[in-house]
Order: sequence, then structure tokens, then C-alpha cells
Amino acid sequence: DTAVSQTPKYLVTQMGNDKSIKCEQNLGHDTMYWYKQDSKKFLKIMFSYNNKELIINETVPNRFSPKSPDKAHLNLHINSLELGDSAVYFCASSLFGQDTEAFFGQGTRLTVV
Amino acid sequence: QKEVEQDPGPLSVPEGAIVSLNCTYSNSAFQYFMWYRQYSRKGPELLMYTYSSGNKEDGRFTAQVDKSSKYISLFIRDSQPSDSATYLCAMSAGGTYKYIFGTGTRLKVLA
Repeated sequence: DTAVSQTPKYLVTQMGNDKSIKCEQNLGHDTMYWYKQDSKKFLKIMFSYNNKELIINETVPNRFSPKSPDKAHLNLHINSLELGDSAVYFCASSLFGQDTEAFFGQGTRLTVV
Repeated sequence: QKEVEQDPGPLSVPEGAIVSLNCTYSNSAFQYFMWYRQYSRKGPELLMYTYSSGNKEDGRFTAQVDKSSKYISLFIRDSQPSDSATYLCAMSAGGTYKYIFGTGTRLKVLA
């Protein structure tokens, strides 16, 4: 039974399109995150949500809009996709904030052509 | 200078060797330290979680934290080819709601 699941796993789209990535966790955690992993494997925080409330927006362009309908779900919508948005996007969750360990989903590999 | 520094490798070792992976950091507020293993095209998998300084052992894995030196280590005993992956350190400070990652060390265990 997958703890943190993301869909889709792969996404190939053209520049200028709008796309969404969905994330769900069944761990009962309060905090969820979006991380971006670049081609050099570096993981960088994008957003943190705690109990559906946005806590961190790490200077991400406003073309990226996260939404948390409930504390088990955190979706990421991206408008007007650019070539530089190509990366792997990971969703993660932790029981409560950064004081507990984070569990990651399998990632969504986004390719913008 | 990055907050967390990690040698990218690759690090190649023979099967059965003891592997030492390390990270240094600059932010003295970090209190929570994690090691993740990431196989190619997979998500990071949590290996070890440590709070503050000290050692923690779990099977073949031992995590060490030296806050006075701002240095953390992961030791893998009796390494196996299945341990070949990228190892990421991560750390966080209280009240920040984020984990800061190292760039990862690519490990190859040769059969």
C-alpha cells in the first residue's frame, strides 16, 4: 500500500501548456511538500503545507500554484510551461513539520518540449 | 557556499567493503538529520533519522552526527551491489518546515 503516491509518473508536454500533478498520502501526516530535483540530482524545496495551509513558498514563479483540498492531498498546477521547468517533481509528507522525517513519493518526470 | 556540502562521487568500492559517506553543513541551527537512498528513476527512500548529536545503528547502517564539527556520516557495513545508488543527506532546523538536501553521493558497489 503506497504511502505517498503521485500521478502521473511521466509527463511530456509542449511549451506554453498548463499541467497538473496530484499527490496523496495515506500516512495521516499533517505536513506536505513539493520538491524539485534538477538534472544533477539536487533536491530543492518549492512549497510546504501544514494542515492545508501554505507555510513556505520558496521564491517559486507564480506560474506554479499548489492547492491542498485536505491534509492528505497536495496538488501542483503549472501554467505556461517553460523548457526550464523540465525536472523531476517530488511530493513528500511528514507527521508534523520538519521535526519528523519526510517520506517521498516516486516522483513525476516532467519534460517540456 | 551551499548550506549542505556533499561529495558527488562516484564512489566505487568492492563488495563487502565498509562505505563511509559524509556531509558538512554551515547552519548551526540544524537539529534533525536524515539519510536517504535513491535508486535511478525512483523516489528518495529514508534510511536513517537522527536528532541532534550521537550515533544510531540500524542493521548494516550507522549514522553519526557531530554537531560541534557540523559533520554527519553514514557508514554501510558489508556493502552489497544492491547498495549501489545515490545517497542524499538532509537536515532541518526547528520551525522551518523544510529539509535542506546535499547534492548526493553516487555509490557503486562492485561484485
